Formats: sequence, C-alpha cells, structure tokens
Amino acid sequence: GAGVSQSPSNKVTEKGKDVELRCDPISGHTALYWYRQSLGQGLEFLIYFQGNSAPDKSGLPSDRFSAERTGGSVSTLTIQRTQQEDSAVYLCASSRGASSGANVLTFGAGSRLTVL
Amino acid sequence: AQTVTQSQPEMSVQEAETVTLSCTYDTSESDYYLFWYKQPPSRQMILVIRQEAYKQQNATENRFSVNFQKAAKSFSLKISDSQLGDAAMYFCAYRSAYVRWDGGSQGNLIFGKGTKLSVKP
Repeated sequence: GAGVSQSPSNKVTEKGKDVELRCDPISGHTALYWYRQSLGQGLEFLIYFQGNSAPDKSGLPSDRFSAERTGGSVSTLTIQRTQQEDSAVYLCASSRGASSGANVLTFGAGSRLTVL
Repeated sequence: AQTVTQSQPEMSVQEAETVTLSCTYDTSESDYYLFWYKQPPSRQMILVIRQEAYKQQNATENRFSVNFQKAAKSFSLKISDSQLGDAAMYFCAYRSAYVRWDGGSQGNLIFGKGTKLSVKP
C-alpha cells in the first residue's frame, strides 16, 4: 500500500481482556517495528521483524505481549489479560530493510488502546 | 546504551518567527543518524529532517534546518517563518548506522520524550 496502515484506530477494552492490533506495512518493506507511546512520553521500542529472521523481542514489557508477522507482511501485536497501564498509542513502522541505518522508518497513524 | 534527551517539554512561537528546539544525545558510536519527527494531533509521525553523523554540513529542508554539533552531541532543530501548521509534538531520534544481527543494534530508533510546539497567530 501507499502507507503503513494500522487497525483499529481506537480500541476500548475491559481489564483482563485480550486485544489484537494489526499493522499492514508498505509493500516491499522488509523491516517492521512496533513502538508504544504512553501519555506524555516518547516512543518505547517493543519488537521488530526483519524478513524471515527471528524477531527482536527485547523491548516487550512482559510475557503478556506478543507479536507475529505472517508471510513477511502483515503483523499482529497481541496483548493478553490487558491492564490499565497498557493504555497507550501503539505505533507501527516499516522500512526497506534494517541492513543500513540510513533506511528511513515510515510510521502508521497508530492504534489508541484504552483499558478500563 | 544510547539515550536522547529533549529538555524542553513545551515551546511557543509567534507565527512567522523562528524557534529552535533542543536535543542532546549520548552514544559511544562514531557513525549514526539523527532525525527529527513531527507528530500532529492525527498521531501520524512525519519525518522532518535527517542528519548523517559523518557529514559536517547541517541538513536543511525548506524552512527546517538543524545545528549539528557532533563533539557536543547536540542536534537542535530550527524552524524559520513558523506557520500554524507547524504546531505539533516534535521528537528527536537516534539510529545506529550499522545494523547487526549478533545481539547488537537492530536498527530501531531511540526517541526523546518530545517537545510540544505551539504556534500563536
């Protein structure tokens, strides 16, 4: 697609429920990143995928968070047993590849998650 | 580990005037990239400008320019002739130049906490 697409745009859920957030990167971009932006904070790295390599999960805050990327394209971020502190905007970004730091990340508009 | 610091949580500028947003970073690497991203209320992160550490010349993009001081690890953004549409959150970000798969840098951006810029008509 022309840009990075994320859905849903907004999600309100009850504490303890599971949620799935979807990211559709730019066609041909092999690198995909998930970030979390809490109110008044910068962006916190969560996880990233590069092609068919094992993902870098070093930023995931707990084992309730997981992500997968099917067919090297669409990615889903899953949060199990949501807690109120999970409320944030979840941003996805993609780039041509991670082989060079020169590759620019293009971001989606994010999914705002509110846990009641 | 690399860190990025934006010391101005909020800034305000009069329309048509110039404003400078500050950013400092800490790294032991010699090659890296620095970025300024703009995030309007729509939440879409938009790349404003990029600087390559090995280039001494400051990057410019129309009304946006940077003052890159490598020795001081400073990377400020200057917005000239400010417009109402410039109002947004501005984030400074760092990225290693060399991405490795051996447990080292994975190419992700490291962000500051942002500066909220208001533009007064």
